[in-house]
Amino acid sequence: EAQVTQNPRYLITVTGKKLTVTCSQNMNHEYMSWYRQDPGLGLRQIYYSMNVEVTDKGDVPEGYKVSRKEKRNFPLILESPSPNQTSLYFCASSLMGAVAQETQYFGPGTRLLVL
Amino acid sequence: AQKVTQAQTEISVVEKEDVTLDCVYETRDTTYYLFWYKQPPSGELVFLIRRNSFDEQNEISGRYSWNFQKSTSSFNFTITASQVVDSAVYFCALSEAWSGYSTLTFGKGTMLLVSP
Repeated sequence: EAQVTQNPRYLITVTGKKLTVTCSQNMNHEYMSWYRQDPGLGLRQIYYSMNVEVTDKGDVPEGYKVSRKEKRNFPLILESPSPNQTSLYFCASSLMGAVAQETQYFGPGTRLLVL
Repeated sequence: AQKVTQAQTEISVVEKEDVTLDCVYETRDTTYYLFWYKQPPSGELVFLIRRNSFDEQNEISGRYSWNFQKSTSSFNFTITASQVVDSAVYFCALSEAWSGYSTLTFGKGTMLLVSP
């Protein structure tokens, strides 16, 4: 089944404890992206990757890191999480990153609570 | 800068009523793409439709229909004979061709509650 998977789905952590949220897709998509969803703000893009070893900042990149060493994986790293990073996180992918009309398909989401 | 406005924060209807979710967008690009996504209570985001700026034909898929009007910069979504399973948050999103890549600007979403 074609899908985007994220792990973990739920995570409670404490301020300052490094964490990684994994994202994997099995559709051979070039483009992958991370979003966060907050009440009243909709979804905002954190980082995106056009292909392996190519990443760039989205609208709200502060406090996050990403890497794209393999085409299928795009982990999101919070080196020192803070309470304002409590959010619902989505990973997404699309076939080709260099075309605006590509549909992005989303993972199931990861709910993060930073105490 | 691109912008998507979903003025309706929350809508409540009774089952079998028709309901329209509004989406108004702003863009300076002549080529752009509009999307609707559904987020049910379980939380995942489900793609519903994509429309490009050159295709103003309305689209119907079962009980769902979309009305794209460039003159008013709107891409409204209508659910006919709503059902409880339609209860969800619905997001409208825009992607501009000039950006050169697949990026989405989302509206803040409209929560639809369908009561039995």
